[in-house]
Amino acid sequence: DAGVIQSPRHEVTEMGQEVTLRCKPISGHNSLFWYRQTMMRGLELLIYFNNNVPIDDSGMPEDRFSAKMPNASFSTLKIQPSEPRDSAVYFCASSLKNEQFFGPGTRLTVL
Amino acid sequence: GENVEQHPSTLSVQEGDSAVIKCTYSDSASNYFPWYKQELGKGPQLIIDIRSNVGEKKDQRIAVTLNKTAKHFSLHITETQPEDSAVYFCAASRGTSYDKVIFGPGTSLSVIP
Repeated sequence: DAGVIQSPRHEVTEMGQEVTLRCKPISGHNSLFWYRQTMMRGLELLIYFNNNVPIDDSGMPEDRFSAKMPNASFSTLKIQPSEPRDSAVYFCASSLKNEQFFGPGTRLTVL
Repeated sequence: GENVEQHPSTLSVQEGDSAVIKCTYSDSASNYFPWYKQELGKGPQLIIDIRSNVGEKKDQRIAVTLNKTAKHFSLHITETQPEDSAVYFCAASRGTSYDKVIFGPGTSLSVIP
């Protein structure tokens, strides 16, 4: 298996622009997680899905952030409008039981 | 809410020495405790985990211990090697696929050759 796939790997955008991050989980996994990692705040859980249904979105920082999982093989995290403080590495992870498998991350820079 | 604390935040050891990272958790219902290693430019990767029905688990040079009464768990790396240099995260969960995993803030380990 190719593992968790994230795209793009790097994104540089200007403040106010819409940003969409994409994730393809490992086939057969039924849980998907979105995390944000910064030096100041560490690894933060933003939202997670189980069987494509959002279970807990309490970590989503603001209404500017939204996430969808239209099917078992695809999820998006959207930021609209983006702000410089959103600059971070965003990880997607998937799991079947307990072990979470992380993707390589998307490094987002908002100028 | 649930919280996981981790110490130290940075750790430097000489190659061949042991490294110990300690964590505490707040949710008494937690029963699954994974440890993840994150190398530069990569996502975290599970290296070992322990469930609350055991007090210790070993895998080659890595061992984890759990004290559920005190809500403490620790990672021990023996005979450290330069390739052990990374950021290590402890985490706690209630242990089902419906439960989120709460991560500690991480420990940056440097193994000096």
